[in-house]
Amino acid sequence: GENVEQHPSTLSVQEGDSAVIKCTYSDSASNYFPWYKQELGKRPQLIIDIRSNVGEKKDQRIAVTLNKTAKHFSLHITETQPEDSAVYFCAARGTIFGAGTRLFVKA
Amino acid sequence: DVKVTQSSRYLVKRTGEKVFLECVQDMDHENMFWYRQDPGLGLRLIYFSYDVKMKEKGDIPEGYSVSREKKERFSLILESASTNQTSMYLCASSWGLAGAQETQYFGPGTRLLVL
Repeated sequence: GENVEQHPSTLSVQEGDSAVIKCTYSDSASNYFPWYKQELGKRPQLIIDIRSNVGEKKDQRIAVTLNKTAKHFSLHITETQPEDSAVYFCAARGTIFGAGTRLFVKA
Repeated sequence: DVKVTQSSRYLVKRTGEKVFLECVQDMDHENMFWYRQDPGLGLRLIYFSYDVKMKEKGDIPEGYSVSREKKERFSLILESASTNQTSMYLCASSWGLAGAQETQYFGPGTRLLVL
């Protein structure tokens, strides 16, 4: 079936550094790629998304890039802060999720 | 503000019991989804519904069924609970026509333990 591979599974950075999470998908019909943040004990919440007619989208410290030819997309967080510590999920088609990346930001 | 609620935060059931998990959304969304979340596996789609009384199988429907009698309510049913169904269950909803790929709004989750 269709799947999404997400890397790395764990990422530890120093406060102020950048963090990059990458996802690869298999379904060519995917045209919507959201990223969700899930803090400990809470529900996943959308932080940014991108559609296939756009190559890059930015929202303050967060950006997402999409390469439809290569079928991969990435989340970039700049100037990381301790409150960025959470599990991040990518998804293709909105319903096919990656396994998640646990991000630790050390103060 | 979109609100998705689930009937229970924690549930403990015995093997073989019939289990009902309820989800309600208040944004008049057409689409509703049930996922299970397991460590290292992310979120996996069990069932979804694009309209009242309509349902579609997701990636892991075995052992589950669903019911959508009203637009705002989507129920997940474990016909005969088994220990491998111990998991976190997340409900979600989104707007849009059937097949539309849109942002999903999640409920708080139900942590189910099957003994």
